[in-house]
Amino acid sequence: DAMVIQNPRYQVTQFGKPVTLSCSQTLNHNVMYWYQQKSSQAPKLLFHYYDKDFNNEADTPDNFQSRRPNTSFCFLDIRSPGLGDAAMYLCATSREGRGNTEAFFGQGTRLTVV
Amino acid sequence: QKEVEQNSGPLSVPEGAIASLNCTYSDRGSQSFFWYRQYSGKSPELIMFIYSNGDKEDGRFTAQLNKASQYVSLLIRDSQPSDSATYLCAVYSSASKIIFGSGTRLSIRP
Repeated sequence: DAMVIQNPRYQVTQFGKPVTLSCSQTLNHNVMYWYQQKSSQAPKLLFHYYDKDFNNEADTPDNFQSRRPNTSFCFLDIRSPGLGDAAMYLCATSREGRGNTEAFFGQGTRLTVV
Repeated sequence: QKEVEQNSGPLSVPEGAIASLNCTYSDRGSQSFFWYRQYSGKSPELIMFIYSNGDKEDGRFTAQLNKASQYVSLLIRDSQPSDSATYLCAVYSSASKIIFGSGTRLSIRP
């Protein structure tokens, strides 16, 4: 059974048109992450939530926003997508615990900007 | 200095041999260390995680951690063509976030 679910799997959006990607989890993990992964590159952390505390990476563009209305759901909003934002977006969750934290990933949403 | 460094490869290993993948990290306060396998166009899949110094074995996979040297490795024994993928090293840092290396492409040749 899928534990971290991302919707949609594929998203096509127009240049400049706001788009929202969603992630849900059944693991009751308190930490949720959003990563951007471009072809042949490492997943790049955009931001993460530790419970309700939002942590933005210093180099994450202002164009990217996130919401976490409850433990199970997290959203990635791209306010004005550009061609350079085309990528795979990965959601992950983990349970904070000293020395034994592992992260589980969703299947990803592949975003195309036209 | 990158937070997590890996040799990008490609690393080519004959079928049946041992593949050795290496990773170094800069945050000495890092707590947990992961190896993910990623096939092209797919999301990362957790292979192993380790948080204590030494070796951890799971089937054909062995993870090795040396916190003093800030070094973690993954050994794949009896390599199979299906092991051909990109292997991502990831670190749970002292800032409570998971940071990835750029990955090593592994190719198992028949």
